Amino acid sequence: SYVLTQPPSVSVAPGQTARISCGGDSIGSKSVHWYQQKPSQAPVLVVYADRDRPSGIPERFSGSNSGNTATLTISRVETGDEADYYCQVWDRGGDHVYVFGPGTKVTVL
Amino acid sequence: EVQLVESGGRSVPPGETLLLSCAASGFTFSSYEMNWVRQAPGKGLEWLSFISVTGNTIYHADSVKGRFTIFRDNAKNSLFLQMNSLSAEDTAIYYCARTSAEAYAFDVWGQGTMVTVSS
Repeated sequence: SYVLTQPPSVSVAPGQTARISCGGDSIGSKSVHWYQQKPSQAPVLVVYADRDRPSGIPERFSGSNSGNTATLTISRVETGDEADYYCQVWDRGGDHVYVFGPGTKVTVL
Repeated sequence: EVQLVESGGRSVPPGETLLLSCAASGFTFSSYEMNWVRQAPGKGLEWLSFISVTGNTIYHADSVKGRFTIFRDNAKNSLFLQMNSLSAEDTAIYYCARTSAEAYAFDVWGQGTMVTVSS
């Protein structure tokens, strides 16, 4: 089955840029989605199809995907961005399953 | 307002069965594919099940295949998850989530319902 990897944690100062990686075999050929989850809340979609933002998501959130790594970039980080972030892909081969990455805890220093 | 509201979670002993429900409102439920996702305490997100708009196509994760069944009632704007042979490893918050029209992403989530399996 398809496996996604993410760093367990990323720390960033307010106003700086946070980059969260999501690794997978030829992930550049897949469509990657990103979710933000704050404590005791349901996940929220922040980027879909590699780089598109749902309505209401700030432009500070952006995504890219190439080769074996997809990246979620949060520019001008705010304290309210502190959360867990998960990448996700739809694995069409074999069992037709959705796969989530293990998640990355973003801490705003 | 587009909304998903789960219900049915509770504490049950190992081996029991449980039926979770998800009530949809604010959108045309019958036009969207739906999913169940769970999150064990302190752990990450785990996709469990997918169902097509008509219910004719269903996929389950290996971890629940043969024990859990997803189904829907479009006339009642409702999604369900029948869970059998529950074990402690099934203890988690269970979310229903809508698949977006533009991509295979989950654009709307419910608030979740807690299932605890313990003797």
